[in-house]
Amino acid sequence: NAGVMQNPRHLVRRRGQEARLRCSPMKGHSHVYWYRQLPEEGLKFMVYLQKENIIDESGMPKERFSAEFPKEGPSILRIQQVVRGDSAAYFCASSLGLAGASSYEQYFGPGTRLTVT
Amino acid sequence: AQSVTQPDIHITVSEGASLELRCNYSYGATPYLFWYVQSPGQGLQLLLKYFSGDTLVQGIKGFEAEFKRSQSSFNLRKPSVHWSDAAEYFCALNQGGKLIFGQGTELSVKP
Repeated sequence: NAGVMQNPRHLVRRRGQEARLRCSPMKGHSHVYWYRQLPEEGLKFMVYLQKENIIDESGMPKERFSAEFPKEGPSILRIQQVVRGDSAAYFCASSLGLAGASSYEQYFGPGTRLTVT
Repeated sequence: AQSVTQPDIHITVSEGASLELRCNYSYGATPYLFWYVQSPGQGLQLLLKYFSGDTLVQGIKGFEAEFKRSQSSFNLRKPSVHWSDAAEYFCALNQGGKLIFGQGTELSVKP
């Protein structure tokens, strides 16, 4: 399967613990995006990364959240000291890193459902 | 500010009936627009996209959408709905790489 992979699919953390969400983009894609889906807020952009570089983090909460996309390996979304309000579905998407309209097409993974108890 | 609005939160149609889901956008330049579908507990699947050119675009699963600049709309249509089309549908606008989503329209299909 050459689609976007996310793991784990479900993650349960107690308040104060750390959550690490992983995303492997589609083969050939070098741009990764993270979105959060909350029941009352819909789908919201968090961060846009390419290899070893953050392009746009305007949607990331100022504290406790960080993201990286290293030269090797998956992209990681890290949430420190989780709180109940972090409970949500977190989706990763990827796109080609080339110029042109095709670079705007984003393909989504199945998501990670984070539950904070 | 750029935004996407889906006026209908929930729509119910009978199987075999036609479908139109509304999407309005606010954007200063030529928009890159998308429709995605999400089944419960799943990720988002890209149905179709508009970048430029022909204002009527065809997508997967028999869906099409029409871009109307004068109305700032990008409505999704399907001539005959199948029970398997029941899902949530999202319209989105690409702004500098990131997607701005509408609130979503939940589609129910009656037998």
